[in-house]
Amino acid sequence: QQQVKQSPQSLIVQKGGISIINCAYENTAFDYFPWYQQFPGKGPALLIAIRPDVSEKKEGRFTISFNKSAKQFSLHIMDSQPGDSATYFCAAVSSNTGKLIFGQGTTLQVKP
Amino acid sequence: NAGVMQNPRHLVRRRGQEARLRCSPMKGHSHVYWYRQLPEEGLKFMVYLQKENIIDESGMPKERFSAEFPKEGPSILRIQQVVRGDSAAYFCASSKLGQGEGEQFFGPGTRLTVL
Repeated sequence: QQQVKQSPQSLIVQKGGISIINCAYENTAFDYFPWYQQFPGKGPALLIAIRPDVSEKKEGRFTISFNKSAKQFSLHIMDSQPGDSATYFCAAVSSNTGKLIFGQGTTLQVKP
Repeated sequence: NAGVMQNPRHLVRRRGQEARLRCSPMKGHSHVYWYRQLPEEGLKFMVYLQKENIIDESGMPKERFSAEFPKEGPSILRIQQVVRGDSAAYFCASSKLGQGEGEQFFGPGTRLTVL
């Protein structure tokens, strides 16, 4: 029940295309859903996050879509750029515990 | 405004030695979390600490691992009698607010290699 399932494991997109990464969770106690971006040899960097009281949040080229009834959320990267090539992790946390539960990660490659 | 700092960045130990990993949270943050990332895997929660207190250690192996966050100084993750399976990247994160209310900011990690 603590799992967060993320797909796809890897993704190749052409420059200018849309990258979509999906996550699903089971624990209804989760109430905060961040996305992290990680470059090789670096720590994860917070990209964008959402709480379940909204269905969508947009920051620049990055959008989170959230479906509370389906217990799913996704990251959309519009106009994908080669500099977006990285590993992306979705995560979920319950305010009761504070610990982040991460998805397995998606390695994104944006081809020029 | 300095971010989360971790040292050392790389640590090599032989089997049976001790590893000490340090984490200094962001200024104003009193909540610290440790996560482990095995090669080609996601991050797994290990322990959550607030100054002088362990809040949640449900992700810590029962033996050889310990963590502390003293009143003064950095948080320390200690691994005694390391084994090859301990080789991983260990990340520390900090937040201003606890219990999932605050954003967690990650440090650059310590990459532990056990020979």
